[in-house]
Amino acid sequence: DAGVIQSPRHEVTEMGQEVTLRCKPISGHDYLFWYRQTMMRGLELLIYFNNNVPIDDSGMPEDRFSAKMPNASFSTLKIQPSEPRDSAVYFCASSLMGQTEAFFGQGTRLTVV
Amino acid sequence: KNEVEQSPQNLTAQEGEFITINCSYSVGISALHWLQQHPGGGIVSLFMLSSGKKKHGRLIATINIQEKHSSLHITASHPRDSAVYICAVQKGAQKLVFGQGTRLTINP
Repeated sequence: DAGVIQSPRHEVTEMGQEVTLRCKPISGHDYLFWYRQTMMRGLELLIYFNNNVPIDDSGMPEDRFSAKMPNASFSTLKIQPSEPRDSAVYFCASSLMGQTEAFFGQGTRLTVV
Repeated sequence: KNEVEQSPQNLTAQEGEFITINCSYSVGISALHWLQQHPGGGIVSLFMLSSGKKKHGRLIATINIQEKHSSLHITASHPRDSAVYICAVQKGAQKLVFGQGTRLTINP
């Protein structure tokens, strides 16, 4: 398996624009996580899904953020409208219940100017 | 106060030295993870443990549940071990809460 695949790797956008980050989990994994990493706050869980259903979205900072998982092989994290303070590295990870070790994607570095 | 505290924040050592990174937590957990983040940014899971000790190559992770403390040790450190090491505690079924990380630099 190619591992968790995220796209794009880098994104630069202007304040106010919509941003969509994409993630393809490892085939067969039933948990998918979205994390955000900043210098100030480190890694934070935004939301996670189990079998495509959102389980805990308490880490989503505000209504400008939304995440979907329409099927077992694809998830999106959308920011609309984007703001400079959203600049961070966004990681997607997946795991298989029973193993619980999470496999991380390479991350998307988002810069909002 | 953060639920997960790591020390030190930064550590510089010479090649061959024995390295210890500490992690303390203040909440009930189901497991504790050690992660490695290389300068390129990718994150790799090193260990997941809920009791005792685990060893993989030159890396050893220990946990004391009663004291809410874990340590990551690196024996015979090498410059390629230079990375950020992150402790994360698992609350409930799957939710991870992360420490701020320890930046390790091993000089040749």
